[in-house]
Amino acid sequence: NAGVMQNPRHLVRRRGQEARLRCSPMKGHSHVYWYRQLPEEGLKFMVYLQKENIIDESGMPKERFSAEFPKEGPSILRIQQVVRGDSAAYFCASSQQGLNTEAFFGQGTRLTVV
Amino acid sequence: AQTVTQSQPEMSVQEAETVTLSCTYDTSENNYYLFWYKQPPSRQMILVIRQEAYKQQNATENRFSVNFQKAAKSFSLKISDSQLGDTAMYFCAFMRYSGGGADGLTFGKGTHLIIQP
Repeated sequence: NAGVMQNPRHLVRRRGQEARLRCSPMKGHSHVYWYRQLPEEGLKFMVYLQKENIIDESGMPKERFSAEFPKEGPSILRIQQVVRGDSAAYFCASSQQGLNTEAFFGQGTRLTVV
Repeated sequence: AQTVTQSQPEMSVQEAETVTLSCTYDTSENNYYLFWYKQPPSRQMILVIRQEAYKQQNATENRFSVNFQKAAKSFSLKISDSQLGDTAMYFCAFMRYSGGGADGLTFGKGTHLIIQP
């Protein structure tokens, strides 16, 4: 049973370009969470999704950022018109529904905006 | 909103010593979970230990144990017989639990633990 898979591991974008980060949850997991980690900081919650639904996006910037978790395929975190301040590590975690509340993390995608 | 505070940015101990990392949190919730995650240089987030707020007994996982003081909103991590491989960032995290499923985690800023040979 593969763990949470994130790709790419490293992504370099020029200012103004779009960044797409992918996350495939663990098999059987229907809940996906995205977090951002700035240097020397803890992880900050961005968005919580279930299949085809955004449950909580209170941590997501209102502009340029969007997330989806389609019925088929991975969850996508999309950042449009990237700026230098978007440079960070982005982590995805997944969990099962119900009483199993343990979230398993992917290895993260390090986005560098140049 | 919840907040998690880790007041020790960095700690350093000798191998085989015992070390305690502190964490306090603030919440008005009654049902929640607390976690300690380890992040080694590989950046992988690894769950170390979990505590359900409704359980009075402190969680233990091999060399790792917690001191959960619900009234004081304190959740410290004790690492016994520390090993070089324990060197990492350690994050304390809070999660509100509602009947429909789990919410996102709120993390502290982390403690960088260094185990000296």
